Amino acid sequence: IAGITQAPTSQILAAGRRMTLRCTQDMRHNAMYWYRQDLGLGLRLIHYSNTAGTTGKGEVPDGYSVSRANTDDFPLTLASAVPSQTSVYFCASSDTGDTGELFFGEGSRLTVL
Amino acid sequence: GQNIDQPTEMTATEGAIVQINCTYQTSGFNGLFWYQQHAGEAPTFLSYNVLDGLEEKGRFSSFLSRSKGYSYLLLKELQMKDSASYLCAVRDSNYQLIWGAGTKLIIKP
Repeated sequence: IAGITQAPTSQILAAGRRMTLRCTQDMRHNAMYWYRQDLGLGLRLIHYSNTAGTTGKGEVPDGYSVSRANTDDFPLTLASAVPSQTSVYFCASSDTGDTGELFFGEGSRLTVL
Repeated sequence: GQNIDQPTEMTATEGAIVQINCTYQTSGFNGLFWYQQHAGEAPTFLSYNVLDGLEEKGRFSSFLSRSKGYSYLLLKELQMKDSASYLCAVRDSNYQLIWGAGTKLIIKP
C-alpha cells in the first residue's frame, strides 16, 4: 500500500536516552517533513528536506536532527531526550505539484520520563 | 508574527450545516489548506484555496477572502463520522505551512 510508514507507533523513553524515529515513503515525493503535535497547539515543523541530500530547520529544531540519504527515508533523531519532547510526531511528504498537499504518516507517540 | 486563529471547539447536530472559520496573519500568502484529523489519527487533506471564492467538493466547501485574511470550511448534511478536528494552514511567502491549533467538531445525534 502506497504511503508513509512511521516506526515506532509508540515509545516510552527515559530522559537522556537517544531515540530515532523512522519514516519511509514510497510515493517518490521530493519533500519530507517532521512535525510535532501538542495539545492546544498547531502542528510545529521540526525539520524538513526539499530533496534527497538536503535538510533545513523548521520552527522548533533544537534537540532534534535529521538526515536524508535517499528519497524514501527521513529519520528523526533525539540525541538526548528530555521530557519536553513528549509529543506525537508526524512525518509527512509532498510532491511539487500545484497544491503541494501533505501526506502524513500515522504518527509516533513518544513519552519521555 | 504569524498567526492562524480558529475556534477551539464547535458542536453541531447530525444532518445540519456547520461553518468553521479561520483568520490568518502571515508573511505573504501562497495558498490555504484545510485538513481533517480524527482522534488518534493522521491529518488528511480536505481542500486548497489560492484564489478568492468558494471551492466545493461534495458535502464540503471552502471559501477564501485574501483581502480579509479569512477562510471558512462549510460542512453540509453532517454525519457522525464528521466528528473530528479541522486544521487550517496557510503557506507563507517562504512556502512554509503555518498551522492553526485546530477546531474540534462534535456532532450530536
